[in-house]
Amino acid sequence: ETGVTQSPTHLIKTRGQQVTLRCSSQSGHNTVSWYQQALGQGPQFIFQYYREEENGRGNFPPRFSGLQFPNYSSELNVNALELDDSALYLCASSLGQGGNEKLFFGSGTQLSVL
Amino acid sequence: EDQVTQSPEALRLQEGESSSLNCSYTVSGLRGLFWYRQDPGKGPEFLFTLYSAGEEKEKERLKATLTKKESFLHITAPKPEDSATYLCAGQGGKLIFGQGTELSVKP
Repeated sequence: ETGVTQSPTHLIKTRGQQVTLRCSSQSGHNTVSWYQQALGQGPQFIFQYYREEENGRGNFPPRFSGLQFPNYSSELNVNALELDDSALYLCASSLGQGGNEKLFFGSGTQLSVL
Repeated sequence: EDQVTQSPEALRLQEGESSSLNCSYTVSGLRGLFWYRQDPGKGPEFLFTLYSAGEEKEKERLKATLTKKESFLHITAPKPEDSATYLCAGQGGKLIFGQGTELSVKP
């Protein structure tokens, strides 16, 4: 069974640039969620995708967008990067969208915006 | 507004010294209260889900309990390998995480 994998592991960008982060779900999982984790804080929900459709969004501006592909892998895109976007970005997969399923997290992408 | 607050922020224990971590929550229509463990440089790892007040779950040295306003993670006779950040999260309309408790267990 393959776990959740994210790429790249680390990324350095400058303010104003755009970035794409990628996530491969655990085998058999059809739901992907993205979280932002600032240093010393808990993860904050960005959005969730279920069967290629957005299925819930947190308090993040529209410059945070995503996609889910037919194989259930996913992308997180962030436009017009700001310094405060520096954080660990976590992808989590689960089976179903009932809302109380346990999540399987990847190890994250550490994004630094200079 | 939904909120999850954990205390203490950091906890240092000697090996074998039992203690508890607290998670206070205000989550509308709570569908589940989750506990995760996060090691440095890794994503959170699922520990428990609790669904209703009075429910308890155990795994090795860890026991999680739930009331209508709080959840506790009890650690009995901890070992150095239990050192990690423990995250609590409430599922309402979305999953809300607390800021975590960083646990350090010294031999």
